[in-house]
Amino acid sequence: RKEVEQDPGPFNVPEGATVAFNCTYSNSASQSFFWYRQDCRKEPKLLMSVYSSGNEDGRFTAQLNRASQYISLLIRDSKLSDSATYLCVVPLNAGNMLTFGGGTRLMVKP
Amino acid sequence: EPEVTQTPSHQVTQMGQEVILRCVPISNHLYFYWYRQILGQKVEFLVSFYNNEISEKSEIFDDQFSVERPDGSNFTLKIRSTKLEDSAMYFCASRGRTPSTDTQYFGPGTRLTVL
Repeated sequence: RKEVEQDPGPFNVPEGATVAFNCTYSNSASQSFFWYRQDCRKEPKLLMSVYSSGNEDGRFTAQLNRASQYISLLIRDSKLSDSATYLCVVPLNAGNMLTFGGGTRLMVKP
Repeated sequence: EPEVTQTPSHQVTQMGQEVILRCVPISNHLYFYWYRQILGQKVEFLVSFYNNEISEKSEIFDDQFSVERPDGSNFTLKIRSTKLEDSAMYFCASRGRTPSTDTQYFGPGTRLTVL
């Protein structure tokens, strides 16, 4: 099983839609998780941190299911500017090493 | 807002040549990292650096790679003899002032092209 696994997409959605991505991870000892956003040929930028059952920030909600070892990201009321690749990231070794999923590509269309 | 900076933004080199990629982490950060991303693939961890020594390294980080913090601000990645497969985007990252601050902030990257 891959350390961090994501559906690569692309997810093509209209503006205003709600879209959800899932991510599964293999290391059951992981305590914290991140969603990063990456625009084409740019650096990953932190979107959300997930430390307990979940986190909400405006239109973005992240949920964690430790029993099933998956994390989800929900985006409500999608904007054109949300078009990007969303990276599920699991820190290992006391945060000294980030393990990235392959990313899920989102395309929001007018 | 403080940010990680990297130079150059694009480096083109011939196979077998040495390259040095430079990074200036966020001021007062204590933990420094290099990652790479081959075009179309996922971001991969290379090495972490703390207290002037390597704390973790991946299988990718072989004897051809080295890191250094030559002064109080710069953090460099050296590839001694580049190979075609070293062509990738190289990201530097830095992390907070305390061990409990685990968010890593990434620089804009250096695109390395090996011909």
